[in-house]
Amino acid sequence: TQLLKQSPQFLSIQEGENLTVYCNSSSVFSSLQWYRQEPGEGPVLLVTVVTGGEVKKLKRLTFQFGDARKDSSLHITAAQPGDTGLYLCAGLGGSNYKLTFGKGTLLTVNP
Amino acid sequence: NAGVTQTPKFQVLKTGQSMTLQCAQDMNHEYMSWYRQDPGMGLRLIHYSVGAGITDQGEVPNGYNVSRSTTEDFPLRLLSAAPSQTSVYFCASSHQRWDSQVNYGYTFGSGTRLTVV
Repeated sequence: TQLLKQSPQFLSIQEGENLTVYCNSSSVFSSLQWYRQEPGEGPVLLVTVVTGGEVKKLKRLTFQFGDARKDSSLHITAAQPGDTGLYLCAGLGGSNYKLTFGKGTLLTVNP
Repeated sequence: NAGVTQTPKFQVLKTGQSMTLQCAQDMNHEYMSWYRQDPGMGLRLIHYSVGAGITDQGEVPNGYNVSRSTTEDFPLRLLSAAPSQTSVYFCASSHQRWDSQVNYGYTFGSGTRLTVV
């Protein structure tokens, strides 16, 4: 079983602050994805990273895949209340193509 | 563009009842899967399918059955509902490149909130 640990579990910040959430594993993944989930809805894909060391930017969000493809981080610059939600990382590995999810980081951005 | 459609959105069952959660996608995705989401447990894979006629078990398959007779539909059957199956259920689909094991992201439905009393 490939486990993904996300930290922190909860994060409450003020509008305008920066933050980083982490996704770590002892296993290697062929690709890693980040999702955001809002209450009452399904997760929505933000990004997929495939190459070790890869960095992708999505407006104020920066995603990084570790060189060894075992970990990833999500950095948000100047957080806004609209960034509030549950952030999930998910890794794809092994020969059976199953996506394994971390338990998520619940982010609250206060106005 | 409907994406992934799940029905019903809410359901209350009595212990021992059976029911089917419906999932349909209109994106011609090969891969479909069912997850359950519980507080503190994250999303756990129940069953998945890599194409019509092919299904396999995930992490928590007990008490659930699936079938995939068409590319579009992937229903989840609860055989005899138990309170432990109270959860939010998500169906997801994806296009998958089998040659490189690269998955370009899942599209999730909006979920079915199931309560078993």
